[in-house]
Amino acid sequence: QQPVQSPQAVILREGEDAVINCSSSKALYSVHWYRQKHGEAPVFLMILLKGGEQKGHDKISASFNEKKQQSSLYLTASQLSYSGTYFCGTRTNDYKLSFGAGTTVTVRA
Amino acid sequence: DAGVIQSPRHEVTEMGQEVTLRCKPISGHNSLFWYRQTMMRGLELLIYFNNNVPIDDSGMPEDRFSAKMPNASFSTLKIQPSEPRDSAVYFCASSLATGDQPQHFGDGTRLSIL
Repeated sequence: QQPVQSPQAVILREGEDAVINCSSSKALYSVHWYRQKHGEAPVFLMILLKGGEQKGHDKISASFNEKKQQSSLYLTASQLSYSGTYFCGTRTNDYKLSFGAGTTVTVRA
Repeated sequence: DAGVIQSPRHEVTEMGQEVTLRCKPISGHNSLFWYRQTMMRGLELLIYFNNNVPIDDSGMPEDRFSAKMPNASFSTLKIQPSEPRDSAVYFCASSLATGDQPQHFGDGTRLSIL
């Protein structure tokens, strides 16, 4: 079942912060985050496993609350290069990733 | 290192024609995934292979779609006959193993069925 992402879109100025949320109605084993720029392939950012850990990738970090079946991606001090569509992929008890509809992030100078 | 290689990058063909999409996964990766991406339905998993064996094809939309992986370095996705609603970007991805490993996506094939 597809996870729900919010917001659908966000516009930022350089240096601003944003949070993207991903929630599932099913118990999760892990949450994967990918970024896709227009006309390109999705690119892996990070995986969060059960245990509520927080991970970081440059100034992009994420958390995973397995009890709430939610993950949040934090864009800190956004840069122009952060523009793109961010997808969360959730894994339940098998190998499949179900991807959310995506959150389009536009960072303006 | 070479990433996942897909061909062709673009395909435009008429309804009813056979379409074959090709994928070369990253060497050493034993999991391969075919996805379809559209505005309406987002990124959908079509089929998953592990060690060249199809494990789950429940995402394949209908019998017109078929996929093969004859060896560890090559996979095809075939649509026969093609229909306009098959127009989408098709991605192939590979990973080291199943479960919680990063999936590496190819550049995709943009398919347009007229």
